[in-house]
Amino acid sequence: GAVVSQHPSWVICKSGTSVKIECRSLDFQATTMFWYRQFPKQSLMLMATSNEGSKATYEQGVEKDKFLINHASLTLSTLTVTSAHPEDSSFYICSARQGVPNEQFFGPGTRLTVL
Amino acid sequence: AQRVTQPEKLLSVFKGAPVELKCNYSYSGSPELFWYVQYSRQRLQLLLRHISRESIKGFTADLNKGETSFHLKKPFAQEEDSAMYYCALSTGGTSYGKLTFGQGTILTVHP
Repeated sequence: GAVVSQHPSWVICKSGTSVKIECRSLDFQATTMFWYRQFPKQSLMLMATSNEGSKATYEQGVEKDKFLINHASLTLSTLTVTSAHPEDSSFYICSARQGVPNEQFFGPGTRLTVL
Repeated sequence: AQRVTQPEKLLSVFKGAPVELKCNYSYSGSPELFWYVQYSRQRLQLLLRHISRESIKGFTADLNKGETSFHLKKPFAQEEDSAMYYCALSTGGTSYGKLTFGQGTILTVHP
């Protein structure tokens, strides 16, 4: 149980286009989902916290107009990278939390390459 | 703000040797500490959490509030333990559930 999926696993896009990444909790309802960014050989950096039915809260330094997050249901959150540029190329990871206990289940990640 | 420090980026040991991955944190309140592991080409998964005080795959970690540490230990390393290990901290209040990760330690266990 407690499986989180991400789609797509890998995406290449042209500079200036927008890319949507989906995060789904497959067998549980996630009260909260988190979006992280991971640069090569570096740690995960929290970008934003997504709660179903409410606006996402973004960490300091993360542009909310650039990284649009929608949490439409208890099993789906989406991250849209708008007007992507090469510096947005990274590995994006989501996680989902059931609530109690305080445990996050991680997706496999999405590799974004912006040309 | 809270911070998690893993001083060793790389750690190599031989099979059967003891291993200790260091983790230090800074936070003024009472944190919840975790160790996550990421095996090659796999997703991040929880290894253990301090509040459960359990041993998973032979690994243990004790929260030392005096030294603000949560080091991960295993008495006899196995080759299958080779992976990236992240120490993470969760705080309470409005930030409940958010995780702050350390930089990670790549553990390599040689045969």
